[in-house]
Amino acid sequence: RKEVEQDPGPFNVPEGATVAFNCTYSNSASQSFFWYRQDCRKEPKLLMSVYSSGNEDGRFTAQLNRASQYISLLIRDSKLSDSATYLCVVNNGDGNNRKLIWGLGTSLAVNP
Amino acid sequence: GAGVSQSPSNKVTEKGKDVELRCDPISGHTALYWYRQSLGQGLEFLIYFQGNSAPDKSGLPSDRFSAERTGGSVSTLTIQRTQQEDSAVYLCASSLGGSVRGYTFGSGTRLTVV
Repeated sequence: RKEVEQDPGPFNVPEGATVAFNCTYSNSASQSFFWYRQDCRKEPKLLMSVYSSGNEDGRFTAQLNRASQYISLLIRDSKLSDSATYLCVVNNGDGNNRKLIWGLGTSLAVNP
Repeated sequence: GAGVSQSPSNKVTEKGKDVELRCDPISGHTALYWYRQSLGQGLEFLIYFQGNSAPDKSGLPSDRFSAERTGGSVSTLTIQRTQQEDSAVYLCASSLGGSVRGYTFGSGTRLTVV
């Protein structure tokens, strides 16, 4: 089993749609969780951290289920500019972010 | 600086030559990481520096790869006797040590070995 697993997609959705991405992780000791966004041929950029109680940033909502070792990202009212690859990232459970474990990403294409 | 700076942005080299890739992290960030990303692949951890501690080199794929970080700031990743499989984007990131806010990446060096 991969340490961080994501559905690779691609997800093709129309503008304005709501789309959800899922991610599972294998290390129950992981303590920090993130969603990054990577545009084509660009570096990854932090989208949001994921907190135990769930958190929201504008149109983006992240949820964490520790019991199931599952993380989700919900994007509401999709924009064309949301088209990118979304990377699920967790730390390796050693108490800091020395080693972040990266998923392979989920590709999203928002169509006009 | 304001962000993580990497140079060169692109490098084409002949097989067997040595290359040096440079990373200038965000001022004040004590942790520095090197990753590489091959086409269509996930990020592969290479090496990690934290302050004055010994670096974590566990991700370096072979002894042809080495990295230094001078004065706790600028880092250089050196690849000796390059091979075609070394072709990838080499990404540097920095962070505030154990910060839970994740990393900030540079824009990467695209290395092509011909």
